[in-house]
Amino acid sequence: DQQVKQNSPSLSVQEGRISILNCDYTNSMFDYFLWYKKYPAEGPTFLISISSIKDKNEDGRFTVFLNKSAKHLSLHIVPSQPGDSAVYFCAAAAANDYKLSFGAGTTVTVRA
Amino acid sequence: DTAVSQTPKYLVTQMGNDKSIKCEQNLGHDTMYWYKQDSKKFLKIMFSYNNKELIINETVPNRFSPKSPDKAHLNLHINSLELGDSAVYFCASSQGNLRQPQHFGDGTRLSIL
Repeated sequence: DQQVKQNSPSLSVQEGRISILNCDYTNSMFDYFLWYKKYPAEGPTFLISISSIKDKNEDGRFTVFLNKSAKHLSLHIVPSQPGDSAVYFCAAAAANDYKLSFGAGTTVTVRA
Repeated sequence: DTAVSQTPKYLVTQMGNDKSIKCEQNLGHDTMYWYKQDSKKFLKIMFSYNNKELIINETVPNRFSPKSPDKAHLNLHINSLELGDSAVYFCASSQGNLRQPQHFGDGTRLSIL
C-alpha cells in the first residue's frame, strides 16, 4: 500500500527549461516532505524539504510547492542542467515519526 | 570523507547462506536506518535505531537481524538467504531531531544465486 506516489516514471527536458516533478500522497498524517536525488550506484542525496505549515520552499534552482488540500507536492527545477539528470524521490513523514515513506522515483533526463 | 559508508558494495552468494552488511557513519548522528530497494525501485524502511535502541521494526522476516554496537554503526545480518532477498540495501543516518533529513550510504547490491 503505497502512501506516496510518483505517477510519472520519467521526464525528459531540454537544458535551460523548467523540470516539474509531481508527487501525491494519501496519508493525511504526513506533515514533512522531502525530495531526494539519486545518481546510479550512489545513495539518495537530500535536495530540499518542506513542512506542512508552508506551501513553498525555495533553494537556489529548486522550489518545492505543497498543496495540502490536494495532498500534492511538486518540485520545480529551473533552469534544468545536464547534471540534474538523475532519479528524484519524493518522501514523506508523519509527525513524531522517524519513518520516511518514499515514492517510486522519477527519472529526469536533461537534453543538451 | 565518506559520511555514511557500507560494506560490501556488492555481495553475491548462494541461497541458504548467512551474510552481514556493515554500516558506519561519521556524522555524529544518533539515529541509523536500513532500507531495502526492491526491483520496483521502492525504498522501504526495515529498521531504525536511535542511540542504539530499536525504534522502527517493520514487517520483515526474522531472518533479518540488525545490530547496533554503538551510535556510529548499524549492521544487518541475514540468515538463510532466499532468492527474494536480492535487492539493494541502503543504510542511512540522521540527527535525532525528526525534521532533519536522512543521509544515505551508496548501497549494497545483494544478489542471491
